[in-house]
Amino acid sequence: GDSVTQMEGPVTLSEEAFLTINCTYTATGYPSLFWYVQYPGEGLQLLLKATKADDKGSNKGFEATYRKETTSFHLEKGSVQVSDSAVYFCALSGFYGGATNKLIFGTGTLLAVQP
Amino acid sequence: NAGVTQTPKFQVLKTGQSMTLQCAQDMNHNSMYWYRQDPGMGLRLIYYSASEGTTDKGEVPNGYNVSRLNKREFSLRLESAAPSQTSVYFCASSSTGGGTEAFFGQGTRLTVV
Repeated sequence: GDSVTQMEGPVTLSEEAFLTINCTYTATGYPSLFWYVQYPGEGLQLLLKATKADDKGSNKGFEATYRKETTSFHLEKGSVQVSDSAVYFCALSGFYGGATNKLIFGTGTLLAVQP
Repeated sequence: NAGVTQTPKFQVLKTGQSMTLQCAQDMNHNSMYWYRQDPGMGLRLIYYSASEGTTDKGEVPNGYNVSRLNKREFSLRLESAAPSQTSVYFCASSSTGGGTEAFFGQGTRLTVV
């Protein structure tokens, strides 16, 4: 079945460092790809998304490019801040019978940014 | 904007007790979902509802039942709680169509002792 694999954490960085969180997927068809972020004690919120190959999603300085040839959707940010400390989830969605978009999540990567 | 509202936020149950987690959305979404979040496991789908009147099993449905009461509300019931059901539960909703965003509630932290 469809699945998402992302790098295990925790990832610990100093403020202003470059961030990469790797995400690869296995899917039939043409899924949409997402990054969600979860701040402590809160629910998940969408960070960015891409719906077709070669699309780049971006938001708040974060970027990810939908690479069909490598089945990847790596998250990057050029200069992280303490406020970026959170758990980041890679996810995919597609149609699984019935017109619904079930999200399949990776295990999450905890990012801790130190001042 | 309320978005997705879950109640309660916290709950402690004894083994064998039952309870219902409530979820309501005000975005007129067709699809609703229940996930559980466990350390190192990410979010796993328990049940989902593609539209009012339909429900389907997800990855980990055992020990749970759901009701799609109307378009707004989707409840999750634990008939006989077990310690293995200690988790954080999230409800989510989305519109129908490729690439649409899911909106999540704040979560219910459930402990079964």
